[in-house]
Amino acid sequence: EEQLVESGGGLVKPGGSARLSCAASGFIFGVYSMNWVRQAPGKGLEWVSTISSGSHFTYYADSVKGRFTTSRDNARTSVYLEMNSLRAEDSAVYYCARASDEDYQLMDVWGKGTKVTVSS
Amino acid sequence: SSELTQPPSLSVSPGQTARITCSGDILSTKFAYWYQLKSGQAPVLVIYADNKRPSGIPERFSGSSSGAVATLTISGAQDEDEADFYCCSTDTTGSHRGLFGGGTRLTVL
Repeated sequence: EEQLVESGGGLVKPGGSARLSCAASGFIFGVYSMNWVRQAPGKGLEWVSTISSGSHFTYYADSVKGRFTTSRDNARTSVYLEMNSLRAEDSAVYYCARASDEDYQLMDVWGKGTKVTVSS
Repeated sequence: SSELTQPPSLSVSPGQTARITCSGDILSTKFAYWYQLKSGQAPVLVIYADNKRPSGIPERFSGSSSGAVATLTISGAQDEDEADFYCCSTDTTGSHRGLFGGGTRLTVL
């Protein structure tokens, strides 16, 4: 079964850092791009970041650029989201989603998400 | 950057056809994708590249696009279709950055 499982969420103080992980199984991880998408409480989905299959390309939403870094380890079939200088508005459920290098918006496998709360 | 505009809500009776629109200039040049999100569950891709249906998605889900408007149609909506639906594309032509619409809450009652 193709599966993505996020971890690393929790309560973080404003200005703090957190690292989310997304572990993939059931498919050849190294040929797919990966996205991070978030949903703040009471809000809609927001695209956060994309990383290409070989890590050659990474893209970020303006709201997180310069603070968040996406990376991946194809040997460990995992993708990561390093979040720094966290703000209250970064509080959200963070999902990882599989896509393709040819079509980053075609997200056909999703994890169930991990919740990040930024609060003092 | 572009925006994708959806109606906040739509209500239909079971068996009726639900049509959810997504408006944005980028849709004139880029594909639309549709995601279904139910509370507590992972999002599900229901339509990609304007009108293609992934395997496992019921035939009652279809998509179309004309000019700057993409439409998700659910023909014969069922109780289990009640969810939030989001359109998605890129934020500008030539960009690889994603963009979601604000979402439409579909109520089937």
